[in-house]
Amino acid sequence: DTAVSQTPKYLVTQMGNDKSIKCEQNLGHDTMYWYKQDSKKFLKIMFSYNNKELIINETVPNRFSPKSPDKAHLNLHINSLELGDSAVYFCASSPRDRSLSGNTIYFGEGSWLTVV
Amino acid sequence: QQQVKQSPQSLIVQKGGISIINCAYENTAFDYFPWYQQFPGKGPALLIAIRPDVSEKKEGRFTISFNKSAKQFSLHIMDSQPGDSATYFCAASTSGSARQLTFGSGTQLTVLP
Repeated sequence: DTAVSQTPKYLVTQMGNDKSIKCEQNLGHDTMYWYKQDSKKFLKIMFSYNNKELIINETVPNRFSPKSPDKAHLNLHINSLELGDSAVYFCASSPRDRSLSGNTIYFGEGSWLTVV
Repeated sequence: QQQVKQSPQSLIVQKGGISIINCAYENTAFDYFPWYQQFPGKGPALLIAIRPDVSEKKEGRFTISFNKSAKQFSLHIMDSQPGDSATYFCAASTSGSARQLTFGSGTQLTVLP
């Protein structure tokens, strides 16, 4: 059973379209994230979210918005897609506790977005 | 501003050799330093992690060495195997309500058979 699952795995879409990537975790974690990995494999956090706060990386365009219907889900909505949005988007989650293992972030397998 | 600098960008090692990847950080508030391993087509997965109150942590063939005064830490892979070929990321974070990892730029490790 996949701990952090995201769909779709591959997405090809045209510039200007609006798309969503869904994410679900079955680990009972309280914090979820979205990371972006560019073509050079550099990983950069976009959002972190728990039931108390949403932290947005200030470099993320407001065309990107996270939506969490419940604790186990954090979907990523992207409006007016641009060529530069092409990347791999990873959903992730982490538990509440502050032990060493509590800092562990568990990643999904990624969603490959290609904007043409 | 890149808060975690990683080197080398790529590394080729013979089977059985030692792979060494280095990272340096700037933010002295960081208190958690993990290494993640990523295979092609997969998400990063935690490999090993350390807190700054110890100088070394070993798990099997993988060892983290940590130098708090120099603000540096490194990953050593002993007896490297072709199955270790992957991209390795160092990272750092502070404790808090949202534990955001700051990643290094990654090292592409290739272990030759």
